[in-house]
Amino acid sequence: IMLTQSPATLSVTPGESISLSCRASQSISTNLHWYQQKPNESPRVLIKYASQSISGIPSRFSGSGSGTDFTLNINRVEPEDFSVYYCQQSNSWPLTFGSGTKLEIK
Amino acid sequence: EVQLVESGGGLVQPGRSMKLSCAASGFTFSSFPMAWVRQAPTKGLEWVATISTSGGSTYYRDSVKGRFTISRDNAKSTLYLQMNSLRSEDTATYYCTRLNYHFDYWGQGVMVTVSS
Repeated sequence: IMLTQSPATLSVTPGESISLSCRASQSISTNLHWYQQKPNESPRVLIKYASQSISGIPSRFSGSGSGTDFTLNINRVEPEDFSVYYCQQSNSWPLTFGSGTKLEIK
Repeated sequence: EVQLVESGGGLVQPGRSMKLSCAASGFTFSSFPMAWVRQAPTKGLEWVATISTSGGSTYYRDSVKGRFTISRDNAKSTLYLQMNSLRSEDTATYYCTRLNYHFDYWGQGVMVTVSS
């Protein structure tokens, strides 16, 4: 299953609210998870099963979607949010990731 | 606190072998499937292999099938990745991850460079 993330790069000003897209090549129900990777750090999970929150993750991160279209929302981007975001599906083998969206400061 | 600590990386020549280890702590290791995920320099994330709780089931991406072997020692709370016939395209940072349908904990990663 291929995951297509868009845009590849998003330039925003801190305080803006944004949406990142992940589209699956076939239906994956809600078996879609979002990760954040800061430079020189390991990834960390932000959202599981499309919309379920993760303990310790700020509430400004939220997710939605099912089937083939998914969205990660960040309400009022903070300076520490500038990093790369990946989606990943666990619906079927092989497990796959999207190519990532880089969130950069405008 | 969950901790995953990888070791065993470094520089290796094409065609040679290398074995990675991941020492787990802070959770009941035998209760969770585990996985390896890699990231080539400046590239995205790529799932490599997964092993079930008992080790009885393993899954691999096509490009490493027949060359890589994932295994675990539940008594030692340690995950392994034996990598044979290494290729330049295997150059990457390899992350040990706990699999809870999603990758919920990650190690710090270990770099593997395949070059002559």
